[in-house]
Amino acid sequence: AQKVTQAQTEISVVEKEDVTLDCVYETRDTTYYLFWYKQPPSGELVFLIRRNSFDEQNEISGRYSWNFQKSTSSFNFTITASQVVDSAVYFCALSEARDDKIIFGKGTRLHILP
Amino acid sequence: DGGITQSPKYLFRKEGQNVTLSCEQNLNHDAMYWYRQDPGQGLRLIYYSQIVNDFQKGDIAEGYSVSREKKESFPLTVTSAQKNPTAFYLCASSIPEVGLNQPQHFGDGTRLSIL
Repeated sequence: AQKVTQAQTEISVVEKEDVTLDCVYETRDTTYYLFWYKQPPSGELVFLIRRNSFDEQNEISGRYSWNFQKSTSSFNFTITASQVVDSAVYFCALSEARDDKIIFGKGTRLHILP
Repeated sequence: DGGITQSPKYLFRKEGQNVTLSCEQNLNHDAMYWYRQDPGQGLRLIYYSQIVNDFQKGDIAEGYSVSREKKESFPLTVTSAQKNPTAFYLCASSIPEVGLNQPQHFGDGTRLSIL
């Protein structure tokens, strides 16, 4: 069975600090995709990244970076030099290649304090 | 601009009443989805449709119904059989490429409450 665990329910950091959001997943498939989405207070989910199971290279996009480690089934997300606009709920998600359905974690609510 | 439009933004339902949430997309995506989000919970799949005139139940379909008569539209009806409908409802769409699992694009959501 597929499962996504985001153990951190809520995190608060002061602006300009770095913060890492953890994501651990479970799947029996060898081909799968991992996603991160951001949900700002407005409500819509904003797609951040998609990574397939065969690509373990870390990715950096501006202040955002992602660390994918198959050995620990983790796909962690780091925000460097956090800003107040980063305050949101962040969801990690998993999709097995055999269908298009996405399983979401319960989300981590991130508060960036000025 | 291409995107997904959900309406209304807020909706109130009386006991025993059916209500319909609208979802329209102009992204030319074949696949569309409905999710329910409760406080502190992730998104749970209600129904999905990969092509016009076809749809499948998700994990929590009881008390809901959908139709997919047009590619761009996927309305969700919350029936009186859904005893706990208060939640935030999100519609999404994607390009269904088996094995490539393209990301889903989401609307702004509809918040449904019971009167």
